[in-house]
Amino acid sequence: KAGVTQTPRYLIKTRGQQVTLSCSPISGHRSVSWYQQTPGQGLQFLFEYFSETQRNKGNFPGRFSGRQFSNSRSEMNVSTLELGDSALYLCASSLTPETGRVEQYFGPGTRLTVT
Amino acid sequence: AQSVTQLDSQVPVFEEAPVELRCNYSSSVSVYLFWYVQYPNQGLQLLLKYLSGSTLVKGINGFEAEFNKSQTSFHLRKPSVHISDTAEYFCAVSDLSRGSQGNLIFGKGTKLSVKP
Repeated sequence: KAGVTQTPRYLIKTRGQQVTLSCSPISGHRSVSWYQQTPGQGLQFLFEYFSETQRNKGNFPGRFSGRQFSNSRSEMNVSTLELGDSALYLCASSLTPETGRVEQYFGPGTRLTVT
Repeated sequence: AQSVTQLDSQVPVFEEAPVELRCNYSSSVSVYLFWYVQYPNQGLQLLLKYLSGSTLVKGINGFEAEFNKSQTSFHLRKPSVHISDTAEYFCAVSDLSRGSQGNLIFGKGTKLSVKP
């Protein structure tokens, strides 16, 4: 069974631009969560999607948004990029949000660098 | 709010020596507890988890952790480390309280460096 895949793996953008990151969960998994990892703040929860609906959202500005498609694939978008958005963005999948409390499977991440 | 404290940001240790990575959490309600490992340029891999039952949890790669409710700790241990254990280790909790978002809350991580 294929694991969680994230594309692209690396990305370089300029301040003020926007970016879209993609996550394909494990086959059969319908819940997708996104996390931001930075050296200063560590791993922080961004949002969670299930059945194409955002269920939970972390403490991030409105520039961070996401969506989920009917095939459970998810995208996250960051508009008006700032230098502080440079981070590793991790996606995790689980069967449902409830099983996600017990076990989440993480992708390799997308490394975003903002210059 | 729920929080997780990993007491050591870096732990250097010689190969074949024992190691303990410390984790404390703040909670007055039930939680699930996890340890994840992250190798360079990779995502997170689950090492072990505590949901209920026996307080001693065994995971992959010879790691184990002990849940101590009175001390709100979940320390990770390995009796003999290998060079390949060099990685960053994250402790995490999943808050089960009513109204919680249920997402994982991570500690800042501990970098384990195993020297020959």
